[in-house]
Amino acid sequence: AQSVTQLDSHVSVSEGTPVLLRCNYSSSYSPSLFWYVQHPNKGLQLLLKYTSAATLVKGINGFEAEFKKSETSFHLTKPSAHMSDAAEYFCVVSEGTGRRALTFGSGTRLQVQP
Amino acid sequence: DTEVTQTPKHLVMGMTNKKSLKCEQHMGHRAMYWYKQKAKKPPELMFVYSYEKLSINESVPSRFSPECPNSSLLNLHLHALQPEDSALYLCASSQEVSGRAYGYTFGSGTRLTVV
Repeated sequence: AQSVTQLDSHVSVSEGTPVLLRCNYSSSYSPSLFWYVQHPNKGLQLLLKYTSAATLVKGINGFEAEFKKSETSFHLTKPSAHMSDAAEYFCVVSEGTGRRALTFGSGTRLQVQP
Repeated sequence: DTEVTQTPKHLVMGMTNKKSLKCEQHMGHRAMYWYKQKAKKPPELMFVYSYEKLSINESVPSRFSPECPNSSLLNLHLHALQPEDSALYLCASSQEVSGRAYGYTFGSGTRLTVV
């Protein structure tokens, strides 16, 4: 069975400093992995995805993530935080179809201080 | 068009009312989904439609009734809801049921309040 653990429920950074949001996964198969962002009272926007191609994945708004199979991790990073990055971030794993199509992590709230 | 459009954005309804949520996509996606999201929680899967047929119902109470009239449109009919059903209802679509290759495209949601 697949599962996702987001290691921090809340992360606070200062504007202009690096962002690191941590995600570990468990999967019986070769999974696809995604990061979604959700701003307050909005839907979910796809930031980036890993689907068994390059292990370093670049997404929108300067975010990137590295798939590390040996560590079963898919951490999200950004070199320099912007105030507009403040939001909820979800790490998501997909093994296949139906109920295993998407499994969400519990989310990490990113706060950006001026 | 690369969006999933949900209407209305906000809905307040009484426990005896009947209302419907609407979701539309014109990306040619063949799978569509309803999710429910409570505050500070990840989305929870409610229903999956694949090629306009209901393929998954995650033990959702019958007061929620989904409908897929065509490949672009997904409705969620609401009747006799309870206050605990208040939540953000998200619609999503994907090119195929698994979503592995491309992920899901989510709408901006309908904020439902049951009074």
